[in-house]
Amino acid sequence: LAKTTQPISMDSYEGQEVNITCSHNNIATNDYITWYQQFPSQGPRFIIQGYKTKVTNEVASLFIPADRKSSTLSLPRVSLSDTAVYYCLVGDAGKSTFGDGTTLTVKP
Amino acid sequence: EAQVTQNPRYLITVTGKKLTVTCSQNMNHEYMSWYRQDPGLGLRQIYYSMNVEVTDKGDVPEGYKVSRKEKRNFPLILESPSPNQTSLYFCASSVRDRGTDTQYFGPGTRLTVL
Repeated sequence: LAKTTQPISMDSYEGQEVNITCSHNNIATNDYITWYQQFPSQGPRFIIQGYKTKVTNEVASLFIPADRKSSTLSLPRVSLSDTAVYYCLVGDAGKSTFGDGTTLTVKP
Repeated sequence: EAQVTQNPRYLITVTGKKLTVTCSQNMNHEYMSWYRQDPGLGLRQIYYSMNVEVTDKGDVPEGYKVSRKEKRNFPLILESPSPNQTSLYFCASSVRDRGTDTQYFGPGTRLTVL
C-alpha cells in the first residue's frame, strides 16, 4: 500500500480557498486517490476521487500532477462548517490505510 | 435510503464478557471493513471482507473476529473484551468500480470496556 503524508494541521479564514496537499511517492499504477472528510464522532465522508489531472465536483477540486506522486485537495471559499479532519487515501478496495489526516480549522 | 447501520451505537461492558457489534449495508456492496479510532491514532483498519466468506486482517486484528455469511452483514465479535479495546468503531462498505474504492461509513459504535 502506498504510504501517504499530509500536514498535521492547517488554519484558514472564512471565504478563503484552502489547499491541502498529500504526498504518495509509492503510488501504484492502478491506484486512485480518494479524499474523505470527518467531523468529530462521525464516520468519514467521501469528498472526491481522481486518477490523474483535475477532478471537480460541487464541493471540491482535486489536482493530480502527471507523476501522481502527490495530490492537492482544493476547497473553495471555506466556511466554519468545513472545520474537520481531511484524509487522503491511496489504493483500491480492501486493505485501507487512512493515515493521520489534516485537521483544518476555519476561523471567522 | 442507502446507508450503513451499526448496533449498538453505545455500549458499556466489562472485561471478558463476549460482545458482538452488528453492521449492515443496503447497497449490495462487495467490500466491507471495520475500523477503530482512538485519540491521536487516527483510523485503523481491523478486518475487511472482499465478498461473502472472504475476510482478511487489517492493521490491528488482534482480539477481534469477523464473519461474512451474507453480503449485507459484517458483524464484529470481541470474544473476551479488554479495556484497551475501548474505542470508537466504524463499519464501512464499498463497491469496486473501475479500480476505485469509495467507502460509506456507518455512524459509529462507542465501546467502553471496564
